[in-house]
Amino acid sequence: SYVLIQPPSVSVASGQTATITCGGDNIGTKSVHWYQQRPGQAPVLVVYKNRDRPSGIPERFSGSNSGSTATLTISRVEDGDEADYYCQLWDRNTDHRVFGGGTKLTVL
Amino acid sequence: EVQLVESGGGVVQPGRSLRLSCTTSGFNFGDNAMSWVRQAPGKGLEWVGFIKSKLYGGTPEYAASVKGRFTISRDDSKSIVYLQMNSLEAEDTAVYYCTRDDWFFDYWGQGTLVTVSS
Repeated sequence: SYVLIQPPSVSVASGQTATITCGGDNIGTKSVHWYQQRPGQAPVLVVYKNRDRPSGIPERFSGSNSGSTATLTISRVEDGDEADYYCQLWDRNTDHRVFGGGTKLTVL
Repeated sequence: EVQLVESGGGVVQPGRSLRLSCTTSGFNFGDNAMSWVRQAPGKGLEWVGFIKSKLYGGTPEYAASVKGRFTISRDDSKSIVYLQMNSLEAEDTAVYYCTRDDWFFDYWGQGTLVTVSS
């Protein structure tokens, strides 16, 4: 089955740019989605289809996908961005949905 | 406003069964696939399975960890999706979320906690 690899943790100073990666075999050919999960809350979709943002998600959240890595970029990081972030895609070979292991973003 | 509300969670002994329900509103339920996603305490998100819309056959698909024990079904007349969980194991202890599935998950319920313990 398809495997997505995320770093367990990323730290960034407030106001700086956070970059969260999601690695997978030839992931650049797939459509990747990103979720934010604050403690005690349900996940929230922040980027879908590699780079699209749902209504209500700030422009500070952006996504890209190429080669073997998809990336979620959060510009001008705020304290409220501190959360766990998960990448996810559809594995067309199995018709299964797959999550990465998640990345804890800490705002310093 | 789109709403998904899970119910049916609780404490259950190993080997027993439990059925979760997800009552939805605010969108055309019958046109959408629906997924269940779970999260064990302190762990990441795990996709459990999904059920296609009737337009695409209404068939389910499951993660390997639950295949043969869990069954997903839907009642389009009531806009409800179900998760029947049999032969529960301690490793099934988690918060279970239902989600609208468009190959990604744009709407989530608040989750319901299932604890498998003797």
